[in-house]
Amino acid sequence: DSGVTQTPKHLITATGQRVTLRCSPRSGDLSVYWYQQSLDQGLQFLIQYYNGEERAKGNILERFSAQQFPDLHSELNLSSLELGDSALYFCASSPLDRGAADTQYFGPGTRLTVL
Amino acid sequence: GQNIDQPTEMTATEGAIVQINCTYQTSGFNGLFWYQQHAGEAPTFLSYNVLDGLEEKGRFSSFLSRSKGYSYLLLKELQMKDSASYLCAPFRGSTLGRLYFGRGTQLTVWP
Repeated sequence: DSGVTQTPKHLITATGQRVTLRCSPRSGDLSVYWYQQSLDQGLQFLIQYYNGEERAKGNILERFSAQQFPDLHSELNLSSLELGDSALYFCASSPLDRGAADTQYFGPGTRLTVL
Repeated sequence: GQNIDQPTEMTATEGAIVQINCTYQTSGFNGLFWYQQHAGEAPTFLSYNVLDGLEEKGRFSSFLSRSKGYSYLLLKELQMKDSASYLCAPFRGSTLGRLYFGRGTQLTVWP
């Protein structure tokens, strides 16, 4: 158990809908990262937040957005869902955001299925 | 891109030793992470190398050659539970905390 929690574990929805994935980082960690993992793409970085502020963006679609709240939990919002958005979505956390290597600890993931 | 290259699949038998290689682009390189991921589960941290050489941690060791853009993960005394995907992730300070993962090497351990 990494100490990172994610809800829900599974989510099944229809195309065109909107969903929200939630992540609580390990106690004391200020950085939160979101990753998408689909069968044909591997683990892809989406976005990073540090202490409430966006720090880095990866291959995140405009239909997706995220935020980190004052209590440091984070939410990833996915809208206008398409079949291709079906994937495992992981949240990871690390203590700092200093430009140096900081080990990331991953949550159990949310499996999203878009029908 | 990151030009991370790992073999797609490897197989080995219980009790054996296996070496999983990873090559990457050296520009801006700071260090390299290895993660283990069982199917449908979260990646778990195995090691981080920043200096050249071999670092041993129980049955798992990780090696780094910065000048060659090369790393390997060495797994000894293989067990069935080691069947998993092994992900190589070079770290570059210019990308802040962002990690770029290789596609992973799927290791299957046979009895």
